[in-house]
Amino acid sequence: DGGITQSPKYLFRKEGQNVTLSCEQNLNHDAMYWYRQDPGQGLRLIYYSQIVNDFQKGDIAEGYSVSREKKESFPLTVTSAQKNPTAFYLCASSIDATGFLETQYFGPGTRLLVL
Amino acid sequence: ILNVEQSPQSLHVQEGDSTNFTCSFPSSNFYALHWYRWETAKSPEALFVMTLNGDEKKKGRISATLNTKEGYSYLYIKGSQPEDSATYLCAFIRSGGSNYKLTFGKGTLLTVNP
Repeated sequence: DGGITQSPKYLFRKEGQNVTLSCEQNLNHDAMYWYRQDPGQGLRLIYYSQIVNDFQKGDIAEGYSVSREKKESFPLTVTSAQKNPTAFYLCASSIDATGFLETQYFGPGTRLLVL
Repeated sequence: ILNVEQSPQSLHVQEGDSTNFTCSFPSSNFYALHWYRWETAKSPEALFVMTLNGDEKKKGRISATLNTKEGYSYLYIKGSQPEDSATYLCAFIRSGGSNYKLTFGKGTLLTVNP
């Protein structure tokens, strides 16, 4: 089955710890995205990547880092600099490598909680 | 900061009712509008991507219209079924510059009672 997988489903972070959220897609899509959802808010873009080895900051990139070494993988690291990391994180991908006109396909999400 | 507003915030209807809700966005520099459906415990899934003023799209009992001059889109569901219960998200893309991205509204939560 083609799709996007995210792991883990739940993740707990201790103070001062970096954690990495996994996102893998087998749709052969060029573009991948990370969004954050907080209660009562719309999805907000953290980072996006249009091609391998390239990525751009979104609206709320501070305290996060990403890499795009392979087309199918776009891991997100939540660093200790992110002071309020508790949220639901969604990864998405799209065929288009030139913009946001194409439909985005979403993963099931990871809920990050701070201990 | 772009403002994408969705109304109502939540909606309860009876099975068989038809319903509609609104997505409002800035009318200047319009590029595209996406609609997504997000069922509880599932991934958001795409409904429509709309680009032209006056556009009307349909998928089964769900349809959407677009007015870029006044900055709104309506989503209609005809004969609502319990399986239509979900949060419906719209996302706006503004043209201009090199940083195209989706700005999402907060969603409309639809509950269809059997």
